[in-house]
Amino acid sequence: GAVVSQHPSRVICKSGTSVKIECRSLDFQATTMFWYRQFPKQSLMLMATSNEGSKATYEQGVEKDKFLINHASLTLSTLTVTSAHPEDSSFYICSARVVTGGLRNEQYFGPGTRLTVT
Amino acid sequence: AQKITQTQPGMFVQEKEAVTLDCTYDTSDPSYGLFWYKQPSSGEMIFLIYQGSYDQQNATEGRYSLNFQKARKSANLVISASQLGDSAMYFCATSFQGAQKLVFGQGTRLTINP
Repeated sequence: GAVVSQHPSRVICKSGTSVKIECRSLDFQATTMFWYRQFPKQSLMLMATSNEGSKATYEQGVEKDKFLINHASLTLSTLTVTSAHPEDSSFYICSARVVTGGLRNEQYFGPGTRLTVT
Repeated sequence: AQKITQTQPGMFVQEKEAVTLDCTYDTSDPSYGLFWYKQPSSGEMIFLIYQGSYDQQNATEGRYSLNFQKARKSANLVISASQLGDSAMYFCATSFQGAQKLVFGQGTRLTINP
């Protein structure tokens, strides 16, 4: 199956600093990638849809200036959490869409990044 | 708006037994897809099975099958001969026409007891 990597897997940073998380599709090209946030014992919340070569589409309530998304190539999307605060601590997961036709746009997920802001 | 409901926060099953995880959806769109994902404690999301709204037969993938009842808008996941390694969170999700994104249910935590 399609493999998606995410780096780093864990990061601890101080309040006020910025953190960049990378999401790569290793064996396929992904024109669309997605960024999710997951709080403990909760479901995945879509933050934004990242399209290669264009601006990301953010979900309602997600601050685009705080969560910067760049999809510079067909295999790489990055999420930068700017001026991180403790409330930004969460599990961030990316996914890449595999286009197989019709509605079977199954997404393959990265292993996630656990961000802790102190 | 599309909505996915998983009413079982937790399930406890004896090893080797079959288990059914419930999922209902609400959509007015005639074209949609239904997915099940497994999330172990490590956090990764593992794709399990897919069912299209126009598929005539229930999807099967190894020990996983999807009991698709379109009129009732349900898409339950059936795991046969459960194993200890099946212990994880399970999420039902739907995609819909014109939209690339998935909408996830709240999840069900499945625990397999030896």
